[in-house]
Amino acid sequence: EAGVAQSPRYKIIEKRQSVAFWCNPISGHATLYWYQQILGQGPKLLIQFQNNGVVDDSQLPKDRFSAERLKGVDSTLKIQPAKLEDSAVYLCASSLVSYQETQYFGPGTRLLVL
Amino acid sequence: AQSVTQLDSHVSVSEGTPVLLRCNYSSSYSPSLFWYVQHPNKGLQLLLKYTSAATLVKGINGFEAEFKKSETSFHLTKPSAHMSDAAEYFCVVSDTSGTYKYIFGTGTRLKVLA
Repeated sequence: EAGVAQSPRYKIIEKRQSVAFWCNPISGHATLYWYQQILGQGPKLLIQFQNNGVVDDSQLPKDRFSAERLKGVDSTLKIQPAKLEDSAVYLCASSLVSYQETQYFGPGTRLLVL
Repeated sequence: AQSVTQLDSHVSVSEGTPVLLRCNYSSSYSPSLFWYVQHPNKGLQLLLKYTSAATLVKGINGFEAEFKKSETSFHLTKPSAHMSDAAEYFCVVSDTSGTYKYIFGTGTRLKVLA
């Protein structure tokens, strides 16, 4: 079974530039999550999708971050414009359904904002 | 609101000796609890999960954890550490009151000495 795929693996940009990350979840998984993991901290949920609808985006900085999950499959997370404090690893995860189900994580995208 | 506290940010053990990584949780509901491991530049991998079945949970690679409601603890143990166990470990509580989103601890970095 293929795991959660993410690209790119690494990205370096300058502040005020824009960047986009892509995630393809495990086939058949209805729920998709984007997390931000700052160095030395645990991952923090940014947004949760159930199929192509948003379940929770309470911690997404909506002035600069956006995410979409077209057709309920793969997803894109965008930052525009980026700030220095956005430097982090962005993790995508998926699960069959949300409640009590194991989340399976992708390898992450490491973003460095200069 | 749910929360989780990992009591040690760093733990060092000698190869072949027992491992204990401590986790305390706070939850108003019957929690689901998880331990994940993160090797450098890799995604998070599930070690084990507790979802109100047996209180002693066995996971992969010889790890196990015991759910103790009276102590609100979910400590991770392994009888004998291996060099390959060196990694970051995260304790996670699932918010069973609503969206079932994961709430991560701050992580414990395990170092295994030869």
